[in-house]
Amino acid sequence: DTEVTQTPKHLVMGMTNKKSLKCEQHMGHRAMYWYKQKAKKPPELMFVYSYEKLSINESVPSRFSPECPNSSLLNLHLHALQPEDSALYLCASSKDGTLQETQYFGPGTRLLVL
Amino acid sequence: KQEVTQIPAALSVPEGENLVLNCSFTDSAIYNLQWFRQDPGKGLTSLLLIQSSQREQTSGRLNASLDKSSGRSTLYIAASQPGDSATYLCAVPREDYKLSFGAGTTVTVRA
Repeated sequence: DTEVTQTPKHLVMGMTNKKSLKCEQHMGHRAMYWYKQKAKKPPELMFVYSYEKLSINESVPSRFSPECPNSSLLNLHLHALQPEDSALYLCASSKDGTLQETQYFGPGTRLLVL
Repeated sequence: KQEVTQIPAALSVPEGENLVLNCSFTDSAIYNLQWFRQDPGKGLTSLLLIQSSQREQTSGRLNASLDKSSGRSTLYIAASQPGDSATYLCAVPREDYKLSFGAGTTVTVRA
């Protein structure tokens, strides 16, 4: 099973709302990633968790807060977002987080901030 | 800094024709190169990963080649089908664990 699942598929939120995105994988991978993708652009890395510890934060605004409760789950908590944060948010995982590995991506959550 | 380029940005071919997609990178000291497919509004599907020690990788109708010395990879899709219509992205990992993506080639296969 090479599947990464993400919920919800679509999310509409106001600038004062708090919401969370969820990502799950059951491949035994120990590295998980959050990416943001704007229309017609390649994905941009936001966060990397390796063995449940945050290893990379790409200077993402604090209104995005990642959480890795266990090795299979990755959350992205959203608060006080701006309209420019509207994008496709992709989760990915890989075996150990080394540079030689394949990253497996989920289907994404389409976020619209009003 | 690793720069990844994909040309052309878009490609339209009749069904049955072979597809040739190009990916160029500026720093030949790569660990691997990965090809992805993305359908509109969807996530990325990993197609092939070529390690730096490999010259090519095959999966079904897909064949990817890697020439590190010239900084190029080519993805061949044989006997294209309308279902192959998608955006194809190549990516190489950097030392800071980011994936450097190309901008993608959007393929349309006409029935």
